[in-house]
Amino acid sequence: NAGVTQTPKFRVLKTGQSMTLLCAQDMNHEYMYWYRQDPGMGLRLIHYSVGEGTTAKGEVPDGYNVSRLKKQNFLLGLESAAPSQTSVYFCASRIPGTNYEQYFGPGTRLTVT
Amino acid sequence: RKEVEQDPGPFNVPEGATVAFNCTYSNSASQSFFWYRQDCRKEPKLLMSVYSSGNEDGRFTAQLNRASQYISLLIRDSKLSDSATYLCVVKTGTASKLTFGTGTRLQVTL
Repeated sequence: NAGVTQTPKFRVLKTGQSMTLLCAQDMNHEYMYWYRQDPGMGLRLIHYSVGEGTTAKGEVPDGYNVSRLKKQNFLLGLESAAPSQTSVYFCASRIPGTNYEQYFGPGTRLTVT
Repeated sequence: RKEVEQDPGPFNVPEGATVAFNCTYSNSASQSFFWYRQDCRKEPKLLMSVYSSGNEDGRFTAQLNRASQYISLLIRDSKLSDSATYLCVVKTGTASKLTFGTGTRLQVTL
């Protein structure tokens, strides 16, 4: 099993450009999450999904959109990138129930100039 | 006040030392607690859950004090490979969300 994978690993965007980050998991997990990690801020939840076709806002959703058309994939979109979105983005997944362990992907390092 | 607060460190300790980290949380209704480990430029991984009665996993011991709203992690006989950032994580409420602390960095030296 590959676990949780993220594409791309690195990306540089100019202000105003758009892009989509792809997260894929092969563990048949229902729940999936997108976080961003910035120095001194810790991991902050952007959006999450509790199942195929459902999404919900997290702590810092502004400027991002998500889609969960297939159970194994969770896409994070930036419609018009801003320098404040320079960050490391992590995707995570887990099974439902009381085992709250989240499995993380390796991250995407995004720089917006 | 942040929901989860940790001393960022770094904690520099020699190999073989015992080191302890604390973490405080602000919401008394928090239900579940965890320690995650994050190596430099890598993803976080679950180290251990924290149970009310305290729990141990090899050289690692986690404790929970609900009255004072803090969680601790004790590492005995530190190894070079323990060098990492340790994230305190709390689950509050019925939603499927975790709140992560900013992490405490540990550097174990020869």
